[in-house]
Amino acid sequence: QIHLVESGGRVVQPGTSLKLSCAASGLTLSTYAVHWVRQAPGKGLEWVAIISYDGRSYYYGDSLRGRVDISRDNSQNTVSLQMISLRPEDTGIYYCATDTQWGSGCLNWGRGTLLTVSS
Amino acid sequence: QSALTQPASVSGSLGQSITISCTGSNTDIGDNDFVSWYQQHAGKAPKLLTYDVSNRPSGVSDRFSGSKSGNTASLTISGLQAEDEADYYCSSYTTITTAFYVFGTGTKVTVL
Repeated sequence: QIHLVESGGRVVQPGTSLKLSCAASGLTLSTYAVHWVRQAPGKGLEWVAIISYDGRSYYYGDSLRGRVDISRDNSQNTVSLQMISLRPEDTGIYYCATDTQWGSGCLNWGRGTLLTVSS
Repeated sequence: QSALTQPASVSGSLGQSITISCTGSNTDIGDNDFVSWYQQHAGKAPKLLTYDVSNRPSGVSDRFSGSKSGNTASLTISGLQAEDEADYYCSSYTTITTAFYVFGTGTKVTVL
């Protein structure tokens, strides 16, 4: 059984930093590119970032570019999303997902972790 | 990178077929075959329905089929069932160098 589990989401104040993590079981994460996707309350899906299986390539979506860093530790089977200067509009559920290839589609998804940015 | 454009809502009766459109541009849908569709039930994580325009992952019903023409992708759901009531999102790889991937605006499917 494949499981992706996101963690690290919590209530934080605007301007602070936070690191989200994605851990995998039932699959070797190091063989997959991994996406982060977020969803604001009552809104649609928004693509956040992707990192290649070896960590050498990565891209960011417009809304977080310059405030986010994606990384991975293949020895620990984890992918992380470090965010800085958080804003209220960053509030939402953050999902990690494995790609079928490289930009082909997000196949395996976690249940998400909720980040709330509020004073 | 702007979101791909989908109709806000589509409805159909049990057993009918419906089609959801997804309009992009010549830097995303029109420029590659990395187009995919997702289903999301309320409170749940999205589920991949089709990828690479028309491929289905193992376990996805063949009632879901994807296609593409020019800058527009489509998802057809045949034999509509009650459990198909959900939100649907398209997505595409984009050739804009500063971006990579973009989702559609989402479509609420209602089964009458």
